[in-house]
Amino acid sequence: EAQVTQNPRYLITVTGKKLTVTCSQNMNHEYMSWYRQDPGLGLRQIYYSMNVEVTDKGDVPEGYKVSRKEKRNFPLILESPSPNQTSLYFCASSRGIGVYNEQFFGPGTRLTVL
Amino acid sequence: AQSVTQPDIHITVSEGASLELRCNYSYGATPYLFWYVQSPGQGLQLLLKYFSGDTLVQGIKGFEAEFKRSQSSFNLRKPSVHWSDAAEYFCAVGSGNTGKLIFGQGTTLQVKP
Repeated sequence: EAQVTQNPRYLITVTGKKLTVTCSQNMNHEYMSWYRQDPGLGLRQIYYSMNVEVTDKGDVPEGYKVSRKEKRNFPLILESPSPNQTSLYFCASSRGIGVYNEQFFGPGTRLTVL
Repeated sequence: AQSVTQPDIHITVSEGASLELRCNYSYGATPYLFWYVQSPGQGLQLLLKYFSGDTLVQGIKGFEAEFKRSQSSFNLRKPSVHWSDAAEYFCAVGSGNTGKLIFGQGTTLQVKP
């Protein structure tokens, strides 16, 4: 089944404790991105990747890192999480770069930083 | 700046009634427009999209949307709502060559029996 998977689905952590949220897609997609969803703000892009080893900042990149060493994986790293990073995170992928390529979203990761 | 506004945060309709969710966008060029649905605990699913051509687009699950350039709107409609349509709905515009989607704030739909 074609899908985007994220792990973990739920995470409660404390301020400053490094964490990684994994994202993997099995559709051989070139483009992957991370969004965060906050009430009243919709989804905002954090980082995106156009291909292996090619990443760039989205609208809200502060406090996050990403890497794209393999085509299928695009982990989101929070080196020193803070409470304002408490949010619902979505990974997405698409076959190509242009917005006319349908983006497929993962199920989301709900992160709470205490 | 590019933006998307969904004026209604929460809408309640009775099952079987018609539905219209509003979306207004601000975008300099011809917009690529999308509607997504997010069911509880699920990721986002694409309902429909508009790139060009016929301004009335059909999507999945019986939804349709109409692009009105003069009003900068892309409202989502369904003639008869089912209880399973209860979810959060997001309107989005595609931005440039980066593949980024700019989302509205979302509208939560509640369906009364």
